[in-house]
Amino acid sequence: DTAVSQTPKYLVTQMGNDKSIKCEQNLGHDTMYWYKQDSKKFLKIMFSYNNKELIINETVPNRFSPKSPDKAHLNLHINSLELGDSAVYFCASSLRTSGSNEQFFGPGTRLTVL
Amino acid sequence: EDKVVQSPLSLVVHEGDTVTLNCSYEVTNFRSLLWYKQEKKAPTFLFMLTSSGIEKKSGRLSSILDKKELFSILNITATQTGDSAVYLCAVGTQGGSEKLVFGKGTKLTVNP
Repeated sequence: DTAVSQTPKYLVTQMGNDKSIKCEQNLGHDTMYWYKQDSKKFLKIMFSYNNKELIINETVPNRFSPKSPDKAHLNLHINSLELGDSAVYFCASSLRTSGSNEQFFGPGTRLTVL
Repeated sequence: EDKVVQSPLSLVVHEGDTVTLNCSYEVTNFRSLLWYKQEKKAPTFLFMLTSSGIEKKSGRLSSILDKKELFSILNITATQTGDSAVYLCAVGTQGGSEKLVFGKGTKLTVNP
């Protein structure tokens, strides 16, 4: 009965590889987000999708490509991984039609690029 | 550019102390201000404030928003070691590109 889940929790990979992180929410929310949290704990939005439609793309490199097959899922694919991509990636969701900004976060995926 | 600034960046206190965490913001299309607590994993929601001057309270935690001066404070009274965490302030926007803009957080350490 986890509300927002992400897989994997940990990902260790070499520079240049391609990897994906998956996110699912069972809250019936219509909007999902990806955030990147750096080593200094600064949480910054990357993307948001509302009902499978891209709403926000915050100057993220083209190597990052989100995909939303349906409104309960938002996956993040990263091509040609670089050292600077090492961070914790959080997925979140909200109900836009509620008029509330409250977002629920997943447990995070710690990505380490060697 | 939207900006949220928290202070102090870190704070070390003893159990039983009272702490005040600050958050100021400059954001277009402001809708609400939110406080989250982050321990080892995901940020967990504490409060959402939309109106000035109305205090929100949950146990030993309370928060208030001043929309004229563009800031909020989070108070924790009678701190406990379990309050040790990073406290994140975020401002929620409205309109087509709704999002949360986060501050860098305040790392609170409560020593026994």
